[in-house]
Amino acid sequence: EPEVTQTPSHQVTQMGQEVILRCVPISNHLYFYWYRQILGQKVEFLVSFYNNEISEKSEIFDDQFSVERPDGSNFTLKIRSTKLEDSAMYFCASRPGTIGYTFGSGTRLTVV
Amino acid sequence: DAKTTQPNSMESNEEEPVHLPCNHSTISGTDYIHWYRQLPSQGPEYVIHGLTSNVNNRMASLAIAEDRKSSTLILHRATLRDAAVYYCILKENTGNQFYFGTGTSLTVIP
Repeated sequence: EPEVTQTPSHQVTQMGQEVILRCVPISNHLYFYWYRQILGQKVEFLVSFYNNEISEKSEIFDDQFSVERPDGSNFTLKIRSTKLEDSAMYFCASRPGTIGYTFGSGTRLTVV
Repeated sequence: DAKTTQPNSMESNEEEPVHLPCNHSTISGTDYIHWYRQLPSQGPEYVIHGLTSNVNNRMASLAIAEDRKSSTLILHRATLRDAAVYYCILKENTGNQFYFGTGTSLTVIP
């Protein structure tokens, strides 16, 4: 069964550093998403991406964050100047035109 | 998106059916009812979705009330691998994001 692949599975970074979280969505999917889950809390929407541009973003997704689909297969989330409160699981998801998301297994980001 | 209400936790014995309820009294006519689950240390996983009619797939069944103000996810024979947090989510077909609530944490007892 096709999978959404996320790398790395765990990333440790120092506060103030930039990180790039990588995702390979399912190849024929058209819509791409990033969600995050702070430990013990709800899964929260960050951003959706369609046709090479952001289609929707939450208030969490401020100027610190950016997304890119650099080569037609990868989908990246960049977090600039990381803060302690950015520590969370970050999930990438994709879907075809129809309903039904496939989520990746996530990247655990730890900011120290 | 309309709000859903689910019990915080439920228990089931292994090999027995599980009925996970969800109330969504403010559902609109265009909202689909989605169920996802999240196993420990995993991303959410699609389970099933429906609009008005009951739905079956290899994972579960979804029973939707006639007035659509509630639904029930049915796992026909719970296994230990079904222990997860189950989320009931309403979403318009054209919308972009899911609003995850706190879900129901299902414990399966061997």
